[in-house]
Amino acid sequence: GAVVSQHPSRVICKSGTSVKIECRSLDFQATTMFWYRQFPKQSLMLMATSNEGSKATYEQGVEKDKFLINHASLTLSTLTVTSAHPEDSSFYICSARVPTSGTDTQYFGPGTRLTVL
Amino acid sequence: KQEVTQIPAALSVPEGENLVLNCSFTDSAIYNLQWFRQDPGKGLTSLLLIQSSQREQTSGRLNASLDKSSGRSTLYIAASQPGDSATYLCAVPKSAGNKLTFGGGTRVLVKP
Repeated sequence: GAVVSQHPSRVICKSGTSVKIECRSLDFQATTMFWYRQFPKQSLMLMATSNEGSKATYEQGVEKDKFLINHASLTLSTLTVTSAHPEDSSFYICSARVPTSGTDTQYFGPGTRLTVL
Repeated sequence: KQEVTQIPAALSVPEGENLVLNCSFTDSAIYNLQWFRQDPGKGLTSLLLIQSSQREQTSGRLNASLDKSSGRSTLYIAASQPGDSATYLCAVPKSAGNKLTFGGGTRVLVKP
């Protein structure tokens, strides 16, 4: 199946710094990628939809100036958490949509654990 | 607004017992329904995808059914093993390419 990677797998940073997380589709082109956030023992909550070559679409309540998303190529989307604070500590997961005829499956990356001190 | 609910939130069974996980959704206008597995601290692994026109899908010991009209899906895992211990999530998109709405998940523990 399609493979999606994320880098880094975990990051610890000081409050006020910015952190960039990469999401790559390794063996296919993804025109659409999604970014999710997951707090401990909770389900995934969609943050934004990332479309190659255009601005991301953010879900209600997600600050677009704080969570910058760039989808510069068909295989790479990045999420930058700007001026991170402890409440931004979470598990961030990306997925890439594979618009195979009849299935429209999303494949998920392994996630990035962000800890803000 | 689509809401997806999974009951129970947690489940503990002895090895060998069959598992039954439930997923319900409020808006029956779905394109498909997916079941995922998530191990602690890891990403999601897709288990089964059922198209809206299908009633069930099978893969090995896993069988998922879909009843769109009643807004329900059930994931059956036969002859559970300790390696099946994980959180199982169901998710639905409203249309092709649309964002997924996830259920809260069911945490499964299979005791040896």
